Amino acid sequence: DSGVTQTPKHLITATGQRVTLRCSPRSGDLSVYWYQQSLDQGLQFLIQYYNGEERAKGNILERFSAQQFPDLHSELNLSSLELGDSALYFCASSVGGPDTQYFGPGTRLTVL
Amino acid sequence: AQSVSQHNHHVILSEAASLELGCNYSYGGTVNLFWYVQYPGQHLQLLLKYFSGDPLVKGIKGFEAEFIKSKFSFNLRKPSVQWSDTAEYFCAVNAFTGGGNKLTFGTGTQLKVEL
Repeated sequence: DSGVTQTPKHLITATGQRVTLRCSPRSGDLSVYWYQQSLDQGLQFLIQYYNGEERAKGNILERFSAQQFPDLHSELNLSSLELGDSALYFCASSVGGPDTQYFGPGTRLTVL
Repeated sequence: AQSVSQHNHHVILSEAASLELGCNYSYGGTVNLFWYVQYPGQHLQLLLKYFSGDPLVKGIKGFEAEFIKSKFSFNLRKPSVQWSDTAEYFCAVNAFTGGGNKLTFGTGTQLKVEL
């Protein structure tokens, strides 16, 4: 158990819908990262937040957005969902700098 | 931008065989290097990491990796694999670019250990 929690574990929804994935970092960690894992794209970095502010952006679609709240939990919002958005979404956390990232159990999103 | 190459996509070994998984990265500056393991149906777990110092690093479960700066490589090794090592292994790089702290992952190596 890494100490990073994610909810829900599984999410099944339809195309065009909007979903919110939630992540709670390890105690003491200020940075939260979101990654997408799919068969065709592998593990891709989406976005990083540090203490409530966006720090780095990767291959994140405009339909996707994220935020980090004052209690440091983070939410990833995915809208206008497409079949190709079906993937495992991982959250990771770290203390803040270029240090070790610890991963949560992931949310498996299935878009039908 | 940094990139990571893992040359072996699928590896099948018998128990007690030795393992070496290749990882090369492309980035000319300072990097932190990681190997993560993903057991079937589970999340990514850290196996080992290299930040600085001794280029031979030891991780959990008997794994080790050697950082060779001149070759831009960080290969993972284990002298004797067990059936329970069946998993997918990911090499990752965190480059010091000043633009955040993202990890760039390789495509992964699926290891199957047969009894």
